[in-house]
Amino acid sequence: GPKVLQIPSHQIIDMGQMVTLNCDPVSNHLYFYWYKQILGQQMEFLVNFYNGKVMEKSKLFKDQFSVERPDGSYFTLKIQPTALEDSAVYFCASSLDQDTQYFGPGTRLLVL
Amino acid sequence: AQSVTQPDARVTVSEGASLQLRCKYSSSGTPYLFWYVQYPRQGLQLLLKYYSGDPVVQGVNGFEAEFSKSNSSFHLRKASVHWSDSAVYFCVLRMVSGSFNKLTFGAGTRLAVCP
Repeated sequence: GPKVLQIPSHQIIDMGQMVTLNCDPVSNHLYFYWYKQILGQQMEFLVNFYNGKVMEKSKLFKDQFSVERPDGSYFTLKIQPTALEDSAVYFCASSLDQDTQYFGPGTRLLVL
Repeated sequence: AQSVTQPDARVTVSEGASLQLRCKYSSSGTPYLFWYVQYPRQGLQLLLKYYSGDPVVQGVNGFEAEFSKSNSSFHLRKASVHWSDSAVYFCVLRMVSGSFNKLTFGAGTRLAVCP
């Protein structure tokens, strides 16, 4: 099936630093999403993105978070500055329409 | 508010045995329901989905699920499991109206298939 890639697979950074998580969505998809999964907990919605804009975000999407997708490039999640509670696995997903979402393998972020 | 409950965190079955993974949902509107599977170090992969119509939906690799509105359930089944089915299975809910295609996940059920 369609593949979503995420770079890097793992990232370790010090608290307070900036981190950018990259997602390479399915090429013709128009809707993009980020989800967060803390170890041992349920995966939770962070944000969705369409037509260059954030359409909806959850309470987990703090002011330190931002997303963008410059034309033809990655869909990114930036956290600046990072906090200890940002340690989690972040999953990117994309969909052609508001139907089936295709997920990447996740980026494991550890904030020290 | 919508929610998904997968009551079994872990399920262990023998290869060749039948399988049922349980899922209960709560929603205020018409639900769209999905089952995804996650193999180690891979992204979630769609197994099957239910939108409307026949309450029994067929998916990939011999999986099927049955939607029950009266029980608010969407259980996943397979007649005969293989060791390669060992993975984490997520039941997922999407509301038809309201939120802009936001998914709500269950906690996942880790399936171990023993030889």
